[in-house]
Amino acid sequence: RKEVEQDPGPFNVPEGATVAFNCTYSNSASQSFFWYRQDCRKEPKLLMSVYSSGNEDGRFTAQLNRASQYISLLIRDSKLSDSATYLCVVNPYSSASKIIFGSGTRLSIRP
Amino acid sequence: NAGVTQTPKFRVLKTGQSMTLLCAQDMNHEYMYWYRQDPGMGLRLIHYSVGEGTTAKGEVPDGYNVSRLKKQNFLLGLESAAPSQTSVYFCASRHADYEQYFGPGTRLTVT
Repeated sequence: RKEVEQDPGPFNVPEGATVAFNCTYSNSASQSFFWYRQDCRKEPKLLMSVYSSGNEDGRFTAQLNRASQYISLLIRDSKLSDSATYLCVVNPYSSASKIIFGSGTRLSIRP
Repeated sequence: NAGVTQTPKFRVLKTGQSMTLLCAQDMNHEYMYWYRQDPGMGLRLIHYSVGEGTTAKGEVPDGYNVSRLKKQNFLLGLESAAPSQTSVYFCASRHADYEQYFGPGTRLTVT
């Protein structure tokens, strides 16, 4: 089983729709969680950290479910500019040197 | 504050040639990383460093060497380039268990 798993997609949704992705992780001791977005041929950029109580940033909501070992990202009122690959990132141990990246979920927003 | 920079941005090598990729960060981060990303694939960790003078192997270290003589710089070397090393190389840095910051990438083609 992979340490971090994501549905590769692609998710193809109309502008204005709500879309959600999940990401599962295998190490129950994982401490830190992040969502990054990566545009084609560009570097990954932090979208948001994921906190235990869940957190929201504008149209984006991230949640953590430790019992079931997954994190989720919800995008409301999707925009054309949201088209990108979304990477789930897990830090297995606090202050550790290694970070685990998921392979990414591709999202395409159509007009 | 430039963040993470990478030199060069593009490079074409012939099989058997050597080169060094330079990564520099001005955020005083302890941890630095080198990844490669092949078309349509996720990030794979090559080597990483938890501090000046220390390096460690990642997931795909063969054919690469690294050095971290100064805290702000992390060098990735290819001693004898092979076509299989054609890829986009990303450097990243981070402080403790916070998020990573990525450089813009180096696009390497080996013919």
